[in-house]
Amino acid sequence: DAGVIQSPRHEVTEMGQEVTLRCKLISGHNSLFWYRQTMMRGLELLIYFNNNVPIDDSGMPEDRFSAKMPNASFSTLKIQPSEPRDSAVYFCASTVQGGNQPQHFGDGTRLSIL
Amino acid sequence: AQSVTQPDIHITVSEGASLELRCNYSYGATPYLFWYVQSPGQGLQLLLKYFSGDTLVQGIKGFEAEFKRSQSSFNLRKPSVHWSDAAEYFCAVGAPGSARQLTFGSGTQLTVLP
Repeated sequence: DAGVIQSPRHEVTEMGQEVTLRCKLISGHNSLFWYRQTMMRGLELLIYFNNNVPIDDSGMPEDRFSAKMPNASFSTLKIQPSEPRDSAVYFCASTVQGGNQPQHFGDGTRLSIL
Repeated sequence: AQSVTQPDIHITVSEGASLELRCNYSYGATPYLFWYVQSPGQGLQLLLKYFSGDTLVQGIKGFEAEFKRSQSSFNLRKPSVHWSDAAEYFCAVGAPGSARQLTFGSGTQLTVLP
């Protein structure tokens, strides 16, 4: 079975540019999480969705960050405009809402903002 | 609010030696508990989880963890470490009834000496 798929795996761009990270959930999963991992702050939850609806976005650092789920199996995390301090590894994870199921993680997108 | 403490930032063991990684949590009731492993450039992979029942939980790759309510701990163990176990290990806690929102510890980096 295919796991959580993230793209791109690596992205290097200049500050001020728009960055879009993509995530495909595992088939049948209906909860989606976006995390950011840095050396300084560890693994931080940015936002999570249940059934395409954002439930808690309190971890989103600022208005430059936005996340959407245009359909039940796909999500995007957008940063506009990007800044060097946004450099991190971004993970998405999916699971089944309400069940005793763990979160399954993608391999992450390593983002470098120059 | 729930929290997780992994007191050891870095642990070094020799191949074949036993391993114990510590995890302490703070939560008002019995939480859901998880251990994940992250290899370089990879996402987080679930090793094992505890929801209820037997307090000694078996996971993949020969790992086990024991939930001790009196000590608010969920330490990860392996009787004989292999070189391929070198990675970063994360303990996480989630609210009962759901694995939606997880709080992760800061991680323990494991180095295995030949």
